[in-house]
Amino acid sequence: IAGITQAPTSQILAAGRRMTLRCTQDMRHNAMYWYRQDLGLGLRLIHYSNTAGTTGKGEVPDGYSVSRANTDDFPLTLASAVPSQTSVYFCASSARAAVDTQYFGPGTRLTVL
Amino acid sequence: GQNIDQPTEMTATEGAIVQINCTYQTSGFNGLFWYQQHAGEAPTFLSYNVLDGLEEKGRFSSFLSRSKGYSYLLLKELQMKDSASYLCAVRDSNYQLIWGAGTKLIIKP
Repeated sequence: IAGITQAPTSQILAAGRRMTLRCTQDMRHNAMYWYRQDLGLGLRLIHYSNTAGTTGKGEVPDGYSVSRANTDDFPLTLASAVPSQTSVYFCASSARAAVDTQYFGPGTRLTVL
Repeated sequence: GQNIDQPTEMTATEGAIVQINCTYQTSGFNGLFWYQQHAGEAPTFLSYNVLDGLEEKGRFSSFLSRSKGYSYLLLKELQMKDSASYLCAVRDSNYQLIWGAGTKLIIKP
């Protein structure tokens, strides 16, 4: 593989269920990001990680958690999904935090009923 | 608050030229990005401006005026495959990207 992969491609989830969206990159990028994209709004940052072992909160972190145990993986967990979390979720990475271009994975379309 | 403004939708003709504008009000400025996003796909990087002026890359050019808080993306010799959304994003004083809602470009034959 080359680049960023995300899984699943799409998911329908009952409200209250726990869900983990997976993101893996093979570019050895230090920084990784999770965004959500909703119709009529710009991409909004949920959480980020500047390097393995560190994470930070973005603009809309409530209801989401992340971990960064190694360089390649950056999973996003919804502890108890709610309908307002229905969105398209994109994972992105950059070689270095803050200064380099971000590259995006293919996205996960999540519907919470 | 921070704000990025772009037109919601534009229509242009195959073979023509189109200019997509972006105005921004952010806390600090550390560069402006343009991305292309086809429907149902991921955003892909097009251009980066940090100094005033025009950056040309093939059929695509991007312009920046920091004093006016303004950028535009110029697409020449439009092709049907250029039908997509174009996203403007500004890196603010915290080095976070602030994104516009995107401009949907429709190309007609």
